Amino acid sequence: GNSVTQMEGPVTLSEEAFLTINCTYTATGYPSLFWYVQYPGEGLQLLLKATKADDKGSNKGFEATYRKETTSFHLEKGSVQVSDSAVYFCALAGQTGNQFYFGTGTSLTVIP
Amino acid sequence: GAGVSQTPSNKVTEKGKYVELRCDPISGHTALYWYRQSLGQGPEFLIYFQGTGAADDSGLPNDRFFAVRPEGSVSTLKIQRTERGDSAVYLCASSIQGWGDTQYFGPGTRLTVL
Repeated sequence: GNSVTQMEGPVTLSEEAFLTINCTYTATGYPSLFWYVQYPGEGLQLLLKATKADDKGSNKGFEATYRKETTSFHLEKGSVQVSDSAVYFCALAGQTGNQFYFGTGTSLTVIP
Repeated sequence: GAGVSQTPSNKVTEKGKYVELRCDPISGHTALYWYRQSLGQGPEFLIYFQGTGAADDSGLPNDRFFAVRPEGSVSTLKIQRTERGDSAVYLCASSIQGWGDTQYFGPGTRLTVL
């Protein structure tokens, strides 16, 4: 079946540090992959996505590359800001059906 | 434009009671999804509508849970004989068409069953 395994948090970084949040997946066929972010007190928002192997999604300085050979979609940012403090969810849309499968979320806190 | 809205934002009920949770999707979005998010977990799929019909209800945990979307827009999630284990945040999302599309989430309804 389909599933997403996400790096456990919480993660605490200093401002301008490099961020990596690991995400690996199990899926049949060719899923689409997503990162969603939930800022404090707000709903889930799409951060970036990739729909096929080797695609790179990017937004707001964040990047993730769809790696089929390692079944991974790690989230990276070169220099985090305090405003990036949030919970980040990796998700996949299976090739069959219409379900989204979410990871458990990784809480990020960036301190000045 | 307006995003996905959900009402109420908070609902406290007693064990055994019936509750209804409402979702108003983005205008023009044909696909609508319900999820349940427990504390410290990611959203868990419940049901997906394409138009008025439930295209996939495989995530509903049991027959106490039911959802409708009679006119292809607003949807209501109904929970009968609530149990304490039903306490969670219930999220609604909509997308333009369906599979693989970006889903836009509402703020959620926090349900507490005492």
